[in-house]
Amino acid sequence: SAVISQKPSRDICQRGTSLTIQCQVDSQVTMMFWYRQQPGQSLTLIATANQGSEATYESGFVIDKFPISRPNLTFSTLTVSNMSPEDSSIYLCSVSGQGRTNEKLFFGSGTQLSVL
Amino acid sequence: SQQGEEDPQALSIQEGENATMNCSYKTSINNLQWYRQNSGRGLVHLILIRSNEREKHSGRLRVTLDTSKKSSSLLITASRAADTASYFCATENAGGTSYGKLTFGQGTILTVHP
Repeated sequence: SAVISQKPSRDICQRGTSLTIQCQVDSQVTMMFWYRQQPGQSLTLIATANQGSEATYESGFVIDKFPISRPNLTFSTLTVSNMSPEDSSIYLCSVSGQGRTNEKLFFGSGTQLSVL
Repeated sequence: SQQGEEDPQALSIQEGENATMNCSYKTSINNLQWYRQNSGRGLVHLILIRSNEREKHSGRLRVTLDTSKKSSSLLITASRAADTASYFCATENAGGTSYGKLTFGQGTILTVHP
């Protein structure tokens, strides 16, 4: 299993500002995923972050709005830029397991973002 | 895109009863997984069933998969108040570009009353 530390756990931000969410894993992992969960909804994949290459974004998500860094195999950040109230969501980072658990995802505890 | 649909959207039962949640999906899959989420926080993996499997057990959990109907069910037996949570199915779609990426269903909110 992987232990993921995600911070901040929650934040309240003003419209037009940006927030960077950090995700630290206790082991080296190849793939990290960033999900968004809008209020009362399911999870939607924002992007896949691989170390040493540009993140791959899903349809409807763009790098200018959600820039991602992946400087090494244990760390990633997601920035929510120029925020609006529609960005109020829970943002979750996750990683694939290793070895026998590589089909499972392990999740951080999430960042609950409220934009005023 | 979201391909999983779950029913019921909400389920309320008494402690000791069984809870059954259903999930349907649209495309060919490598595997289907169930996750649990407490109070809008991080998800916890519960069980995985591969496309060539029909039934799997883990403790009080039983999951079935019918690939011909593109559906799965999760049964929690002898439920406890601590099982109160949201439950999501998630599929890894077949195809090389989908490795490691899961598509989540809408979720079922389970409430178990003591």
